[in-house]
Amino acid sequence: DADVTQTPRNRITKTGKRIMLECSQTKGHDRMYWYRQDPGLGLRLIYYSFDVKDINKGEISDGYSVSRQAQAKFSLSLESAIPNQTALYFCATSDWNRGEAGELFFGEGSRLTVL
Amino acid sequence: KQEVTQIPAALSVPEGENLVLNCSFTDSAIYNLQWFRQDPGKGLTSLLLIQSSQREQTSGRLNASLDKSSGRSTLYIAASQPGDSATYLCAVRNTGNQFYFGTGTSLTVIP
Repeated sequence: DADVTQTPRNRITKTGKRIMLECSQTKGHDRMYWYRQDPGLGLRLIYYSFDVKDINKGEISDGYSVSRQAQAKFSLSLESAIPNQTALYFCATSDWNRGEAGELFFGEGSRLTVL
Repeated sequence: KQEVTQIPAALSVPEGENLVLNCSFTDSAIYNLQWFRQDPGKGLTSLLLIQSSQREQTSGRLNASLDKSSGRSTLYIAASQPGDSATYLCAVRNTGNQFYFGTGTSLTVIP
């Protein structure tokens, strides 16, 4: 099983619908992130969380919300999806171990299409 | 704000050639730099992580170097193979614990 699991892997929806993307991890990391990837724009940070009670906006948080249900689970919601939210979404985790910044690990991605 | 640039955006080489991918960043106050591989429509796979105190890391045919003072990193791939064809991204982790990504170099290794 993958260390970072995203569901659904693919989703097609209509404008105005509410969508939730879920992420769970088995790495025991405190830090979790949501990114979106668009051709030519690279990866952009939507939200990040350093623990269950710590949630922070990234550079493109408008139109998105998140929930950190547990250390291992971090969900991304689109309350009212719009076509320009069509993208590949990634969840990632990392840790901070003995003063050394750890690696970033990614899920397989969730491809969202908003019609 | 940290800016990460990868040049070239695309590279095509014949099989067996050694090659170098480049990554530059504007703010040298980083904790680490990480190289990833991404196959089309897939997630990012971590290749190498270099801490700010290190100069290089090696894994198999891959060698990554870091020159923090000049804001540069290179990923050296030896004896390239068609299976190396993918997009390679670098990411820096700054002292604010955020990650900044380049837009990647798309590598094609021609058999």
